[in-house]
Amino acid sequence: SQQGEEDPQALSIQEGENATMNCSYKTSINNLQWYRQNSGRGLVHLILIRSNEREKHSGRLRVTLDTSKKSSSLLITASRAADTASYFCATGDGGSNYKLTFGKGTLLTVNP
Amino acid sequence: DSGVTQTPKHLITATGQRVTLRCSPRSGDLSVYWYQQSLDQGLQFLIQYYNGEERAKGNILERFSAQQFPDLHSELNLSSLELGDSALYFCASRSGGAGDTQYFGPGTRLTVL
Repeated sequence: SQQGEEDPQALSIQEGENATMNCSYKTSINNLQWYRQNSGRGLVHLILIRSNEREKHSGRLRVTLDTSKKSSSLLITASRAADTASYFCATGDGGSNYKLTFGKGTLLTVNP
Repeated sequence: DSGVTQTPKHLITATGQRVTLRCSPRSGDLSVYWYQQSLDQGLQFLIQYYNGEERAKGNILERFSAQQFPDLHSELNLSSLELGDSALYFCASRSGGAGDTQYFGPGTRLTVL
């Protein structure tokens, strides 16, 4: 079953604009990670935020985490056509196996 | 390049058949995870191995099995294949230390005809 639910399911923007994607989850987590997937290809790890962190930055990426609302957001600033991909949030429960539970993803299209 | 390799990239087979998917984790990573990605179910965790031992099971069918070998590579065996088994199968590896990042391979696309 899906843990996270990304919102929106699809997002289309122009190059240079910012893109914001949201993720909600249901159970307690140890960490939350964001991955990118180009069409039909492997998942690329973008950023990990731990449950005791509220915000994290990596280049043009900014991730926030609100554990009280069980939600996270991923902001991509100054988007580029190469950012076109599906973005997934994944939660880790921190158990000894560290398995990830993925949301259904947001399809981001950046138009040149 | 994540450092995780998977073979084959594509696999086309018929219903009822058996296939084996192979994964080599990043150098030094002890944990291997298998995930299935399909249009209707999304990305689902199947099974995890750590240093040769099964650690966790997710939504893995009884027709599916996996193992991790002494050299840490892993194989996922899918038998009595059905049309609904068509999907992308990913493996991911993790060091097993404090860091929680999983690094994914490029996947194997399985098509069952």
